[in-house]
Amino acid sequence: GENVEQHPSTLSVQEGDSAVIKCTYSDSASNYFPWYKQELGKGPQLIIDIRSNVGEKKDQRIAVTLNKTAKHFSLHITETQPEDSAVYFCAAMSSFQKLVFGTGTRLLVSP
Amino acid sequence: DTGVSQNPRHKITKRGQNVTFRCDPISEHNRLYWYRQTLGQGPEFLTYFQNEAQLEKSRLLSDRFSAERPKGSFSTLEIQRTEQGDSAMYLCASSLMGPRANYGYTFGSGTRLTVV
Repeated sequence: GENVEQHPSTLSVQEGDSAVIKCTYSDSASNYFPWYKQELGKGPQLIIDIRSNVGEKKDQRIAVTLNKTAKHFSLHITETQPEDSAVYFCAAMSSFQKLVFGTGTRLLVSP
Repeated sequence: DTGVSQNPRHKITKRGQNVTFRCDPISEHNRLYWYRQTLGQGPEFLTYFQNEAQLEKSRLLSDRFSAERPKGSFSTLEIQRTEQGDSAMYLCASSLMGPRANYGYTFGSGTRLTVV
């Protein structure tokens, strides 16, 4: 089955810097790759996603890139703000079945 | 629609007791998923339904766990004879699959189970 690895496990940046989180997946049949943000005591919230027929997608300060050949995808956050501090999860879906999640990255943005 | 609703938010139970959690998905969503999340980890898949049919169960789901979605709307997750290792956040999510699919899950806020 699918296996998703995520790095780094923690990331500390200064406000205004960029943050990059990377994930790799194992199943070449995976075709949908979302990113979720989870704040303390809440369920994960979808922030951006990308499908296998697209290489890059942007939404304001957030972007995701996908390299299907290498089986990895990345989340890029520019001009980070303290409210970006949270745990971020990547995930992959194979054959429109279920999502398999990475282990999460705790992002801390210091003012 | 107010999103995915889970009840209760918190549950403390003694080891050996049975517990039941409820999930009300977004009304037009035909898929409903249950995940378990422990501290510092990503959500782990437990089971999912398409309408009322349970399509897949994880090996994590021992015979003490059972899930239902009797009318293709809300779902319940029951844990019998709870063990301390069952302590976790239980997350429910729903999504729309089919011609108008968007694939993305909408999660509820979860039910935090503590077994003492």
